[in-house]
Amino acid sequence: DAKTTQPPSMDCAEGRAANLPCNHSTISGNEYVYWYRQIHSQGPQYIIHGLKNNETNEMASLIITEDRKSSTLILPHATLRDTAVYYCIVSRGAGNNRKLIWGLGTSLAVNP
Amino acid sequence: GAGVSQSPSNKVTEKGKDVELRCDPISGHTALYWYRQRLGQGLEFLIYFQGNSAPDKSGLPSDRFSAERTGESVSTLTIQRTQQEDSAVYLCASSLSVDTQYFGPGTRLTVL
Repeated sequence: DAKTTQPPSMDCAEGRAANLPCNHSTISGNEYVYWYRQIHSQGPQYIIHGLKNNETNEMASLIITEDRKSSTLILPHATLRDTAVYYCIVSRGAGNNRKLIWGLGTSLAVNP
Repeated sequence: GAGVSQSPSNKVTEKGKDVELRCDPISGHTALYWYRQRLGQGLEFLIYFQGNSAPDKSGLPSDRFSAERTGESVSTLTIQRTQQEDSAVYLCASSLSVDTQYFGPGTRLTVL
């Protein structure tokens, strides 16, 4: 199973970009990288996912290295409401049988 | 529209009692997942329902745990003869595909 490694915690100043790294050096060619976040006492929230190309949506950007062994989630202008645990996840399996294998995530604190 | 709902939000029970947790997925979502999250930990996959296919029960920790889903509607997770180590938040998610899972708020189970 592919596993991910994330720093346990990070700080970011409000209004600045938050860059959250993730290592997934054993990822296989057909495994996707997903990012979810979990605000305190809530269920996780999907952010973004990708296979090998960089992706952007209204919430964030995902930069995946060419060798796919690491990725970075970018929150371009962090707000206090972005304080949460951010999970970098790789899938296991194929098609509808893909499952998400969750690690411990990075606890991001956005400071005023 | 309505999101994933779970009930009860909190459950306190005595060791040895059975508990039943309920999940109402988003209407039309064919996939439904149950996860367990212990304090300060990531999500632990329990079981996955996809349409009318046989459920993937590979994450259930023991035969005291079982889950049912009727068609593409409500699901119940049952824990028999609860133990203190069963104390956790139980999260349900539904989706149209594995890529974007929508989570409920969870049920916090405390076994005394």
